[in-house]
Amino acid sequence: DAEITQSPRHKITETGRQVTLACHQTWNHNNMFWYRQDLGHGLRLIHYSYGVQDTNKGEVSDGYSVSRSNTEDLPLTLESAASSQTSVYFCASSEEGLDTGELFFGEGSRLTVL
Amino acid sequence: EDQVTQSPEALRLQEGESSSLNCSYTVSGLRGLFWYRQDPGKGPEFLFTLYSAGEEKEKERLKATLTKKESFLHITAPKPEDSATYLCAVSDYKLSFGAGTTVTVRA
Repeated sequence: DAEITQSPRHKITETGRQVTLACHQTWNHNNMFWYRQDLGHGLRLIHYSYGVQDTNKGEVSDGYSVSRSNTEDLPLTLESAASSQTSVYFCASSEEGLDTGELFFGEGSRLTVL
Repeated sequence: EDQVTQSPEALRLQEGESSSLNCSYTVSGLRGLFWYRQDPGKGPEFLFTLYSAGEEKEKERLKATLTKKESFLHITAPKPEDSATYLCAVSDYKLSFGAGTTVTVRA
């Protein structure tokens, strides 16, 4: 069965360190997304990609970057981790574009920045 | 300004006690409204898409309805396995999620 996997599932790091969260999907979807989820907030879009070599900023992109070198993977990098980036991060993919809503989500990566 | 507001934040139900969750939205050009279920420690799982006022969708004990300003997710005769957080999302030119309603169903 096709799936979307994230790693690591849990990560503790220190302020200022670089962190990369991996996302791998076997749906063969062109569209991939990174969200963060914080208590009291809805899912907020960080970055998204509509295909290889395509990346776009979402509503909360400051301090984050992504790269898309193949269809299956969209790693999320925190260049210099900050305590405000402590959150649960979800990767998602879809057949359709950003506004269609039918997304397939990974199980999340919980990041703690001390 | 919040585009999507879900209420209540939390809902505790007895098994078999039917209830409704609300999702109100303020986007002007709605292209679709979506409901997701999220279990603890898991990613959201897609449930329904609604496109126009008056539309209804059903899946087992869940029924979603849509008006011009809000959507309701009705849970009929819930069971403990219906316990989850239910997320609403609306689409105009982008997708905006609400904060969710956490439903707990006691046996």
